[in-house]
Amino acid sequence: AQKVTQAQTEISVVEKEDVTLDCVYETRDTTYYLFWYKQPPSGELVFLIRRNSFDEQNEISGRYSWNFQKSTSSFNFTITASQVVDSAVYFCALRGDYKLSFGAGTTVTVRA
Amino acid sequence: DTGVSQDPRHKITKRGQNVTFRCDPISEHNRLYWYRQTLGQGPEFLTYFQNEAQLEKSRLLSDRFSAERPKGSFSTLEIQRTEQGDSAMYLCASGRALDNTIYFGEGSWLTVV
Repeated sequence: AQKVTQAQTEISVVEKEDVTLDCVYETRDTTYYLFWYKQPPSGELVFLIRRNSFDEQNEISGRYSWNFQKSTSSFNFTITASQVVDSAVYFCALRGDYKLSFGAGTTVTVRA
Repeated sequence: DTGVSQDPRHKITKRGQNVTFRCDPISEHNRLYWYRQTLGQGPEFLTYFQNEAQLEKSRLLSDRFSAERPKGSFSTLEIQRTEQGDSAMYLCASGRALDNTIYFGEGSWLTVV
């Protein structure tokens, strides 16, 4: 069975602060994929980033960066210099064979 | 390239009525998924199609729920004899075997009164 845990339910920051979202996962698969999705109030789940289990290189894409540590089964996500438009619910997800398992989500509120 | 399209976006129905949602995946995506999301929760897997074959159904999908993908393109999700507990957002998603990312539609909100 797969399980994704997002311990933070809500985070509130002031614009331009950095925001780090925690994600811990459990899986028995040796090959798997980790994702972060953003869900604004409109409801659509917007794909942000994907990481393969066999690639632990951490990267930066614009204001987004992630820290994948297989040894601790964590896949944390950081938004640098947050903006009001970043306010949304962020979901961490895990895919083994073909389906995604989601965490409960972290609500991020960025105040001007 | 259009994204995943869902219709209707919002549906209010009386308890006991049947409702049907439609999903048009991204063209050439052979994988199609239905998820359900309730307030404050992450999406929960309901069912998965590869082409026209329904390969997995979650135990969340009671016998009142049926999903089809007759020609391997669009899909429908029907809920019969709706109950108030069916109120949720129903999300459709699609993907390709060669691309490990799954893309979601905007969801169909169902309110059962």
